[in-house]
Amino acid sequence: DTAVSQTPKYLVTQMGNDKSIKCEQNLGHDTMYWYKQDSKKFLKIMFSYNNKELIINETVPNRFSPKSPDKAHLNLHINSLELGDSAVYFCASSQGVSYGYTFGSGTRLTVV
Amino acid sequence: GDSVTQMEGPVTLSEEAFLTINCTYTATGYPSLFWYVQYPGEGLQLLLKATKADDKGSNKGFEATYRKETTSFHLEKGSVQVSDSAVYFCALARSSNTGKLIFGQGTTLQVKP
Repeated sequence: DTAVSQTPKYLVTQMGNDKSIKCEQNLGHDTMYWYKQDSKKFLKIMFSYNNKELIINETVPNRFSPKSPDKAHLNLHINSLELGDSAVYFCASSQGVSYGYTFGSGTRLTVV
Repeated sequence: GDSVTQMEGPVTLSEEAFLTINCTYTATGYPSLFWYVQYPGEGLQLLLKATKADDKGSNKGFEATYRKETTSFHLEKGSVQVSDSAVYFCALARSSNTGKLIFGQGTTLQVKP
């Protein structure tokens, strides 16, 4: 059983479209995150939810909207996709900062 | 604000060579420190961690010591293998409710047979 699973693994779409990425964790963790990894491998946090409550919202365009229906799921919806949104998006979960994160395998988004 | 700086890559070594990847951090208080590894096409995996000064994290032959006086957490391995080829990320997290991990820029390691 995959601990943190993301779908889809690859997503190719045209500019202007709307798309969603889903994430689920079966570890019983309270906190979930979305990170963006750019083409130079740099990782930057986007959002974090703790028990369905938004606790981190970094400077991210409001075209990006996270949704957490329960503490095991954190989805990311992106409106009006732009070329600059092309990246790998990672979901992660954690039971506490000193334990570190468990990451999903990533979703490679390509906007053409 | 908090930040992590890693040595520039790529680092290219021959098999069985000694590895050091430097990592220094800027943060107030006593953050927890981590090393993550990302193999090609995969997500990040926690390699090791240390939560207080002078702690040594170790796993799979890798180790790193939390040095408060030099604000460093250098990654070392005595004898690298081809299978260690990956991108290595140093990260810190402050002891707060948000648990935000701040990553360095990553260091690519390539080990040649």
